[in-house]
Amino acid sequence: KAGVTQTPRYLIKTRGQQVTLSCSPISGHRSVSWYQQTPGQGLQFLFEYFSETQRNKGNFPGRFSGRQFSNSRSEMNVSTLELGDSALYLCASSLAGRWQETQYFGPGTRLLVL
Amino acid sequence: GNSVTQMEGPVTLSEEAFLTINCTYTATGYPSLFWYVQYPGEGLQLLLKATKADDKGSNKGFEATYRKETTSFHLEKGSVQVSDSAVYFCALRGDQGAQKLVFGQGTRLTINP
Repeated sequence: KAGVTQTPRYLIKTRGQQVTLSCSPISGHRSVSWYQQTPGQGLQFLFEYFSETQRNKGNFPGRFSGRQFSNSRSEMNVSTLELGDSALYLCASSLAGRWQETQYFGPGTRLLVL
Repeated sequence: GNSVTQMEGPVTLSEEAFLTINCTYTATGYPSLFWYVQYPGEGLQLLLKATKADDKGSNKGFEATYRKETTSFHLEKGSVQVSDSAVYFCALRGDQGAQKLVFGQGTRLTINP
């Protein structure tokens, strides 16, 4: 069974631009979560989608948004990029997002904002 | 809110040494506990998990026991290898409210031959 895939793997953008990252979950998984990883803040939860609905959201500004499609694939968008948005963005999927389920992570998209 | 505290790194050991990485947590209810490992340039891989008190998770020679009385989930391995060099994250997923993963700060482990 294929794992979680994320595209692109690397991105370079400039301040003020916007970016869209994509995540394809493991087949059959309906819950997709996004995390931001930075050296200073560590791993922080962005949001979770289940059945095309945002179920939970972390403490990030409204510039960070996401969506999920009927095939469970998810995208996240960051508008008006800031230097501090440079990070590794990780997507994780699980069957239904229940607390005892394992979340399986993709390789991440490394975003550099110049 | 829920939180996870890991022992600070970096940790440097010689091959075949015994490894312990401490992890304690604060959470309401009965969270699930996880250890993830991250190799350079990669995402997170699940190493092991435990979903209830006194459960022992194990994988690839690593073990961790869910201790509710001490709110701990320490990672251990009896004999480490160079290939175990990576960053290790302890995490919990609460059973109440937003059931997101909450991570510790990570512990960088380096094993010297």
